[in-house]
Order: sequence, then C-alpha cells, then structure tokens
Amino acid sequence: GAVVSQHPSRVICKSGTSVKIECRSLDFQATTMFWYRQFPKQSLMLMATSNEGSKATYEQGVEKDKFLINHASLTLSTLTVTSAHPEDSSFYICSARDGRASEYEQYFGPGTRLTVT
Amino acid sequence: DAKTTQPTSMDCAEGRAANLPCNHSTISGNEYVYWYRQIHSQGPQYIIHGLKNNETNEMASLIITEDRKSSTLILPHATLRDTAVYYCIVRGADSNYQLIWGAGTKLIIKP
Repeated sequence: GAVVSQHPSRVICKSGTSVKIECRSLDFQATTMFWYRQFPKQSLMLMATSNEGSKATYEQGVEKDKFLINHASLTLSTLTVTSAHPEDSSFYICSARDGRASEYEQYFGPGTRLTVT
Repeated sequence: DAKTTQPTSMDCAEGRAANLPCNHSTISGNEYVYWYRQIHSQGPQYIIHGLKNNETNEMASLIITEDRKSSTLILPHATLRDTAVYYCIVRGADSNYQLIWGAGTKLIIKP
C-alpha cells in the first residue's frame, strides 16, 4: 500500500526558533498534500491543503506566515513552524493523495511530535 | 463541522466482532462514507469507504443502510491491536478531498 513518511518523528525546540517538518510520499506521486494539527485528546484539525507547484490554501485561523508550507515536488512537502512558541506544541500530521488514483483515499504519515520549551 | 455522530467509546472482547455505528443523517447523494482509525500517537490509518453498497476488504466490512443515513463498521475478529479511535467521515467527491474529523469512537478491545 501507499506509504507516507514524516521526519522528524519527535522534535524539541526552544521558543523563538523555527522547525521544519518533512512529509514524503515514498511509492506514489502526491499531487495534493494536507497538514493537520492534533492537540492532546482532540481530533485532527486541518491546517492547510497544498497542491504541487502552487501556494498552499490555509484554513481559517491558521497563520500562513507562521506555518510555511512548501510542496515543491510530487513526493515532498515541508511545514516550517516559524518563531515557535509553547502553544505551538502539538502533534503534526501530514497526508497525501495519489494523483493517479481514481479513488479519494488519503494516506497519512506517522506524525511529528513538536515540543516547544 | 463534522457531519457524523458516533458513540464516544465502546468495549469489545478480543476475538469477537466489533460493530461501530455512525449516524450521518444529512448525507447527500454524492457523499462517501469513510472510516479511518488512529492508534495512540500514530497517524490515522485508512480502513474502508463506500457510497451506497456494502463494502468489504481485508480489514473490515462497511454496512450502509438503504437510506444512507447511518452505517456500521465491522471488525470481524477484534484483536488487542485494534484498540484505537475510529473516525467515521462523510466527504463529497467535489470537496477538494478534504476530510473533516469528528471526535470518533474510542474502541477498547479487552482480553
């Protein structure tokens, strides 16, 4: 089946620094990738949708200048949390859709646990 | 807002069938029913989806009522590794593939 990886799996950073999270589709071309955030004991919240080669579409309330998304290739999207603060500590999950597939499944990465101290 | 209603939690004995209900009374004709699950501290895992007909794959079966207002996910022989939060999601074919996540059902498989 389709595999999506994320790197790193865990990261601890100091307040005010920036952190980059990578999302890769390993065995398919992902024309669309999604970034989610999940706080403890809560459900996933969609942050943004990105299509390869174009700017990401952010959900209401998500600051595009703080959460920089780049989807420069069909297998890689990155999320950069700029000037991170403790309230940005969360579980960040990406998903990808196979552009060649006739169905609409999204395949999810294993998630990245971000802790800002 | 999520378009589905699921019980907050359920228990099931190991080896028995786990039946997870989902209500989606406002579903429209072109919307699919998707099921995902999320094991603690992992990314969600796709299970199954359907439109009108019942579906079965190696993981589960999906039973959709004739009026499509509710569905049931069936795990035929639950194991301890099936303990997870199960999400029922309704998504239209033209919604840019976005998934709107509700609270899901916490399924606990007991030995």
